[in-house]
Amino acid sequence: EAQVTQNPRYLITVTGKKLTVTCSQNMNHEYMSWYRQDPGLGLRQIYYSMNVEVTDKGDVPEGYKVSRKEKRNFPLILESPSPNQTSLYFCASSLSDRQGGYEQYFGPGTRLTVT
Amino acid sequence: GQQVMQIPQYQHVQEGEDFTTYCNSSTTLSNIQWYKQRPGGHPVFLIQLVKSGEVKKQKRLTFQFGEAKKNSSLHITATQTTDVGTYFCAGHSNYQLIWGAGTKLIIKP
Repeated sequence: EAQVTQNPRYLITVTGKKLTVTCSQNMNHEYMSWYRQDPGLGLRQIYYSMNVEVTDKGDVPEGYKVSRKEKRNFPLILESPSPNQTSLYFCASSLSDRQGGYEQYFGPGTRLTVT
Repeated sequence: GQQVMQIPQYQHVQEGEDFTTYCNSSTTLSNIQWYKQRPGGHPVFLIQLVKSGEVKKQKRLTFQFGEAKKNSSLHITATQTTDVGTYFCAGHSNYQLIWGAGTKLIIKP
C-alpha cells in the first residue's frame, strides 16, 4: 500500500531535549517536505527536499533541521525544542515538485507538545 | 511575499445547504490544488486545476479556477455529514506551493 509513515504519532517532551521525528515513504517520490499546522494558520512549510542530499528552507525553518540521506526517509530534527514548537507536524511526499505540480501525499501527523 | 488568502475561516451550514470556499492569490498561479482534512486526520488531495477558467466536478463538489489564474473556489451542493472537515487550497507559483489557511465546514445539528 502506498503510504507515508511518521513516528512517533504523539510526543510530549521537555524544553531543550533533542528529538527526531521520522518520515518514510514507499512511493519512490523525489520530493518530500515537512509542515506544521497550528489553529488558524493552516499548513506552513518547514523544510523541503527535491531529492537525495538536496534540502531547502520553507517558510518557518527556525529551530528545525532535516536530512535526506536516502530517497525514502526525511527525518525532522529539533535540536533544542521550545514550547513554541508545540504543534501538529505533517510529512508529505510527491513526485518531483517542478512547475507541473503533483499531488502531495501526507503522513498521519505527529502531535508534539513541548513543556 | 506570495500569499493565498482563503475565506471564510469557518462556515456553519445546516445539512442539505450549500457550502463555498474561496481562494485568492497575490500572484498568478501555474495551477491550484484542493485538499480535504477530516477532523483528526491528514490532508487528502481532491483535485488539481491547471487551465484558465477551468471547471471540474466530482459528484456534489464543483471546483473553479479563475480566468486570470489568481483565484479559485470550491462549491459543495447539498452538504452531508461526510463533508465535515477543513478544505485547503494550495497554489503553485514560482516553484513554490503556497497554502491557504483553510475553511472549516461545520454541519449544524
